[in-house]
Parts: sequence; structure tokens; C-alpha cells
Amino acid sequence: DSGVTQTPKHLITATGQRVTLRCSPRSGDLSVYWYQQSLDQGLQFLIQYYNGEERAKGNILERFSAQQFPDLHSELNLSSLELGDSALYFCASNRGQGIQETQYFGPGTRLLVL
Amino acid sequence: GENVEQHPSTLSVQEGDSAVIKCTYSDSASNYFPWYKQELGKGPQLIIDIRSNVGEKKDQRIAVTLNKTAKHFSLHITETQPEDSAVYFCAASETSYDKVIFGPGTSLSVIP
Repeated sequence: DSGVTQTPKHLITATGQRVTLRCSPRSGDLSVYWYQQSLDQGLQFLIQYYNGEERAKGNILERFSAQQFPDLHSELNLSSLELGDSALYFCASNRGQGIQETQYFGPGTRLLVL
Repeated sequence: GENVEQHPSTLSVQEGDSAVIKCTYSDSASNYFPWYKQELGKGPQLIIDIRSNVGEKKDQRIAVTLNKTAKHFSLHITETQPEDSAVYFCAASETSYDKVIFGPGTSLSVIP
């Protein structure tokens, strides 16, 4: 158990809809990272927040947005969903600001867009 | 931007044999190279990493080598066990604040 929790575990929705994925980092961790894992794109970094502020941005679509709240939990919002957004979405956390510190991954949220 | 290639995509070895997974990267500015193991139904787990000022690092049965000149890095698993069966990802990134780019993964099967 990494100490990172993600909800929900599974999510089934329709095209055009909007969903929110939630991540709670390990106690004391200030950074939260979001990743998408799909069969055709592999594992991709989406975005990083550190202590409430956006720190790094990867291949995140404009239809997606994220934020980190004062209690350090983070939410990833996916809107105008398309079939291709079906994937596993992982959240990871670490204490510092950078990738070079060990990241602890949550169990993921499996999103299916029908 | 950075591009990471990984070979082979699948690898089958007999229990007790060694397994080697190789990666190449394109951006000479990358200086941090982590390796992740992902078991079925679980998130990736960091198993070892190496920084550009080091050529080799070992942790029990796992070792990683880095050739910065050739932009190659490799994962070596010795005395493989069935519980080593998983998908392994290599990755590359620059220093803090930068995104990590993952390789496409290698599915390793260790046959008892």
C-alpha cells in the first residue's frame, strides 16, 4: 500500500460527459502528479501540482483540468469526454518538487467512455 | 522533445536466468532515469533509478547501467523469479520541475 488513495476505482460514462477523479496524497507529501495510461498512448505524464500550484505540464488536453486544494488533495476534471479518453488514470505523490524524488503511485481510476 | 524507446516489448525467461531490458533516449539534457514495475491491476512502482553522474547502480538482483554518450540505459535482473513477472517501464527526465517521458514498456514473463 503506497499511501496514495484514488477514487473512484472504476468509472463508466458516456461521450460528451464530464467526470472528476480524486486523489489524496501520502501524508506529508506536497507534490501530486497525474498520469494517463492507455493501450495506444502508453503511460503519459499529464500534470504536476506542488503545494497548491501548478508546477509542470505534460501532454494534458485542454478539455482536462486539475487543481490541488489547501488540504493537498487533488482533482482531475475531464470534460467533453471522447471514446479515446478511456484509460487508467494514476495519481502519484512525493514530498519534494521534482521527479527525482521517489514517487508513490495510487491504485488508479479506470475510466470507460461509451 | 524527449523520446524514449524500449526493447524488447515482450520477454520470456526461465526461472533463474537473467533478463535484460534496454532503453534509448533522445534528449541529451535528460539526467534522471527511473525504472518502474507494474503488476497486473496495480499502479507503477519505482524499483531503481540512476542519475547521469553514475554509470551503474545495483540493488540486490536488480542493476541499471547508463551510457550517456550513447544515450542508452539498461535494466538487468539476475536470478529471475516468477514474482518478477510484470510490465517494466523505463523513463527519462531532466531535473526537477520537468516531466518524465516513459518508454512503451516490456512485458516480462518468468517461467517456473
